[in-house]
Amino acid sequence: NAGVTQTPKFQVLKTGQSMTLQCAQDMNHNSMYWYRQDPGMGLRLIYYSASEGTTDKGEVPNGYNVSRLNKREFSLRLESAAPSQTSVYFCASAGFQPQHFGDGTRLSIL
Amino acid sequence: GQQVMQIPQYQHVQEGEDFTTYCNSSTTLSNIQWYKQRPGGHPVFLIQLVKSGEVKKQKRLTFQFGEAKKNSSLHITATQTTDVGTYFCAGPSSNAGGTSYGKLTFGQGTILTVHP
Repeated sequence: NAGVTQTPKFQVLKTGQSMTLQCAQDMNHNSMYWYRQDPGMGLRLIYYSASEGTTDKGEVPNGYNVSRLNKREFSLRLESAAPSQTSVYFCASAGFQPQHFGDGTRLSIL
Repeated sequence: GQQVMQIPQYQHVQEGEDFTTYCNSSTTLSNIQWYKQRPGGHPVFLIQLVKSGEVKKQKRLTFQFGEAKKNSSLHITATQTTDVGTYFCAGPSSNAGGTSYGKLTFGQGTILTVHP
């Protein structure tokens, strides 16, 4: 049972570069979420998708864009990476409750 | 907006000692969830509490939901090294229209270290 799969697991970027974080779930969940985790700040919601074809901003959306490609896939894009975006990024999915998380992407921006 | 606060931020215990983390919400919650994240891992759901005053147990873990549904606690009896990790509480967060779409507001987490 794969659950929620995130790629890549690690990435190092230079300031100004762009990249897309991929997330796919095989649990037929309607809702998907992107979080960032920074020391001492818990998990902060970046964007979410309540269902296929819809996306909405979370608590910290600036500098990010998302695409809900289909029911399974929800990607997060950094158009012009900044050092402040160095973080661990988690994707999650949910039917009703609870949320199921992927293994995370550890992203460093130099 | 809604805030969920957790204390303490860190807790160091000797193996066998008890541990408690507390969670407080700025708003009344329809439910509260608890997650555990092992070092280097991802958050994993532990439990959901729904009723006012509810108490649930999972082996050595006891979860409580306050009478006013604004606070919660997780108590671990006789900690073991396998309990190491970060414990998060989370409550539903709603849009202006009152719909949560399953969104959660997480507390900052309590990092538990257990010394053998």
